[in-house]
Amino acid sequence: DAGVIQSPRHEVTEMGQEVTLRCKPISGHNSLFWYRQTMMRGLELLIYFNNNVPIDDSGMPEDRFSAKMPNASFSTLKIQPSEPRDSAVYFCASSLTGSTDTQYFGPGTRLTVL
Amino acid sequence: AQSVSQHNHHVILSEAASLELGCNYSYGGTVNLFWYVQYPGQHLQLLLKYFSGDPLVKGIKGFEAEFIKSKFSFNLRKPSVQWSDTAEYFCAVNARGGGNKLTFGTGTQLKVEL
Repeated sequence: DAGVIQSPRHEVTEMGQEVTLRCKPISGHNSLFWYRQTMMRGLELLIYFNNNVPIDDSGMPEDRFSAKMPNASFSTLKIQPSEPRDSAVYFCASSLTGSTDTQYFGPGTRLTVL
Repeated sequence: AQSVSQHNHHVILSEAASLELGCNYSYGGTVNLFWYVQYPGQHLQLLLKYFSGDPLVKGIKGFEAEFIKSKFSFNLRKPSVQWSDTAEYFCAVNARGGGNKLTFGTGTQLKVEL
């Protein structure tokens, strides 16, 4: 199994630009999570999906952030417009459905907004 | 809502020293508990997890953790650390019945010196 796949691995953009991060969960996993990691705030859950449906988006910072999961094998996290304070590592994780299931993390996307 | 506290933010040890990293959570109900590790430049990987049964859990690479319900704790231990254990360690809690949402602690940065 290839594990959780994220792209791009690194993204450098200028303030005001739109940024789209992509994630392919492990095949057969029904839950998908987006996290943000910063030095100041640690690892924060932004949003998670069960069976492609957003369940909890209370961690999404503001309206500039949006996430979609059009099918079981693909999700996007979009920031529009981006700001320097959005600079962070964004992780995607997936798990089988159920509260006892382990989450498997992707390699992350390091986003730098200049 | 559940929360997780990791009291040690930075730990420096010499090789062969024993390790104990503290983790406390606040949630009155039943929980699933996890320790994840993030090696430099890599994504989070599961070290061990506790769902039920024996409160002493063995994980990979010689790590273990003990769930003490009365203390709301799930401390991570290793009898003898190696240089390759240098990494950041995250404790995480999932409240049963709370969906798949994991709440992470702020992490403990461990540096093992030769």
